[in-house]
Amino acid sequence: EAQVTQNPRYLITVTGKKLTVTCSQNMNHEYMSWYRQDPGLGLRQIYYSMNVEVTDKGDVPEGYKVSRKEKRNFPLILESPSPNQTSLYFCASSHYRSSGELFFGEGSRLTVL
Amino acid sequence: QQQVKQSPQSLIVQKGGIPIINCAYENTAFDYFPWYQQFPGKGPALLIAIRPDVSEKKEGRFTISFNKSAKQFSLHIMDSQPGDSATYFCAASMEFGSRLTFGEGTQLTVNP
Repeated sequence: EAQVTQNPRYLITVTGKKLTVTCSQNMNHEYMSWYRQDPGLGLRQIYYSMNVEVTDKGDVPEGYKVSRKEKRNFPLILESPSPNQTSLYFCASSHYRSSGELFFGEGSRLTVL
Repeated sequence: QQQVKQSPQSLIVQKGGIPIINCAYENTAFDYFPWYQQFPGKGPALLIAIRPDVSEKKEGRFTISFNKSAKQFSLHIMDSQPGDSATYFCAASMEFGSRLTFGEGTQLTVNP
């Protein structure tokens, strides 16, 4: 089954404790991206990657890091989480310059105390 | 700064009604305008999309109307059903799906 898998789905952590949200896709997509969803603000892009070892900042990259060492994986790293990073996070992937359809994971709800 | 503005924030209709969700964009370089549907606890999924060379696109009960001169596009849902209750996001991009900029979302409730 074609899918984007995120882990963990739910996480409660404390300020300053480093965490990683993993994302993996099995569709051989070149393009991967992270979004955060907040009420009234919609989906805002954090980082994206056009291909392996190619990453770039989205609209709200502050406080986040990413890496793309393998085509299928695109982890999101919060080096020192703060309460304003409490949000619902989505990973997405697509064939760049193909149908344009973004396939989303089911989301990771993060609470930073 | 929101490059794609969506309204209304929430919408309640009766079964069979025709909810309309509107979006306006600023960047004239946008050339791809999709709508995504999100059910509670799930990620958004592509519903329907349009390119600016057409003014309307229909897929089943869902229609996108596009007004290039006004820089606006809207989603109409014909004969709405309770199963259409979801959050709807409009979006826009300059290159076929990459770097999608999303609107704020509309929470639609269709009452039986």
